[in-house]
Amino acid sequence: EAQVTQNPRYLITVTGKKLTVTCSQNMNHEYMSWYRQDPGLGLRQIYYSMNVEVTDKGDVPEGYKVSRKEKRNFPLILESPSPNQTSLYFCASSLFGQGAGNIQYFGAGTRLSVL
Amino acid sequence: RKEVEQDPGPFNVPEGATVAFNCTYSNSASQSFFWYRQDCRKEPKLLMSVYSSGNEDGRFTAQLNRASQYISLLIRDSKLSDSATYLCVVNPDSNTGKLIFGQGTTLQVKP
Repeated sequence: EAQVTQNPRYLITVTGKKLTVTCSQNMNHEYMSWYRQDPGLGLRQIYYSMNVEVTDKGDVPEGYKVSRKEKRNFPLILESPSPNQTSLYFCASSLFGQGAGNIQYFGAGTRLSVL
Repeated sequence: RKEVEQDPGPFNVPEGATVAFNCTYSNSASQSFFWYRQDCRKEPKLLMSVYSSGNEDGRFTAQLNRASQYISLLIRDSKLSDSATYLCVVNPDSNTGKLIFGQGTTLQVKP
């Protein structure tokens, strides 16, 4: 089954404790992206990757890191989480990152709470 | 001004009604446009892409007005199952994969 898989689905952590949210897709998509969704602010793009070893900042990259060493995986790293990073996070992928081909398939989401 | 703006609603309509949502975008160079649907606490899913000539998929019609920089979504014969949040999405730069999401418009279809 074609899918985007995020883990964990739920995470409670404390300020400053490094964490990684994994994202994997099995559709051989070139493009992958991370978003956070907050009430009243909608979905905002954190980072995206047009292909292996190519990553770019979205609108809210501060406090996050990503890597794209393999086509299928795009982990989101919070080196020193803070309470303002409490949010619902979505990973997404698409076949191509440009134009009409940028149809995103989303993972089920990771709900993160930073205490 | 936000790059992509939507009326958050909620829109409360009876079953069978026709409802229209609008979305405006600020970057006139934007090339690609989409409507996504998001159910409560779930991931967004593509509803339809929006083409320059307008396009229809069953009860759903999407239109693009480049001169006025707005996108619309029309839902005819609303069903209870149409209740969701509808997200307008714009790719402001065709050379990058950056996407801008609107806040979403909430639709509640009542029996």
